[in-house]
Amino acid sequence: DIRMTQSPASLSASLGETVNIECLASEDIYSDLAWYQQKPGKSPQLLIYNANSLQNGVPSRFSGSGSGTQYSLKINSLQSEDVATYFCQQYNNYPLTFGSGTKLEIK
Amino acid sequence: QIQLVQSGPELKKPGESVKISCKASGYTFTDYAMHWVKQAPGKGLKWMGWINTYTGKPTYADDFKGRFVFSLEASASTANLQISNLKNEDTATYFCARFYGPLDYWGQGVMVTVSS
Repeated sequence: DIRMTQSPASLSASLGETVNIECLASEDIYSDLAWYQQKPGKSPQLLIYNANSLQNGVPSRFSGSGSGTQYSLKINSLQSEDVATYFCQQYNNYPLTFGSGTKLEIK
Repeated sequence: QIQLVQSGPELKKPGESVKISCKASGYTFTDYAMHWVKQAPGKGLKWMGWINTYTGKPTYADDFKGRFVFSLEASASTANLQISNLKNEDTATYFCARFYGPLDYWGQGVMVTVSS
């Protein structure tokens, strides 16, 4: 199974700041990497797919990058509505596997 | 618009069974596989497996072989998850999600509570 190591586990930042979340795959996943946002009590929502493609309707302050085994999610100009837990997920190989999540709070 | 609407919360006793439904609308049901994801309270996401909505063939992750069954009512654009012989550790929210490479649309989740 491909292991997805996500960091940090939690993050506190101020409004307007830029934050980065990292995801390391245990083997090359060839950019088959998605990022999801999950707000409390809600289902996950797809933000980024194919490592750097923005899902329709997602604000452009979200961006993804990376290749091989290393990937990151960047949120520019942090807004209050960005408070959520973020998960990475690989879909290069079965079983699909998720990172452990990053809980983002506003300072 | 594309929607996955799941059935309501369930409270069950250990040893009982539960069946959760996921009704899809806004797209051709048989064009996309349906995946299932478990989230225990306060925990992360765990992939359970998927069902081919064209053939009906299910595939289960290792931790979900035996007591878990994926099925379809294709004429009703509905995927189902049945869990038998429920255990306390099955207490979780269960999501269905449409597979497009990533999981691009998710149901709202069904909270299953197993308690004596």
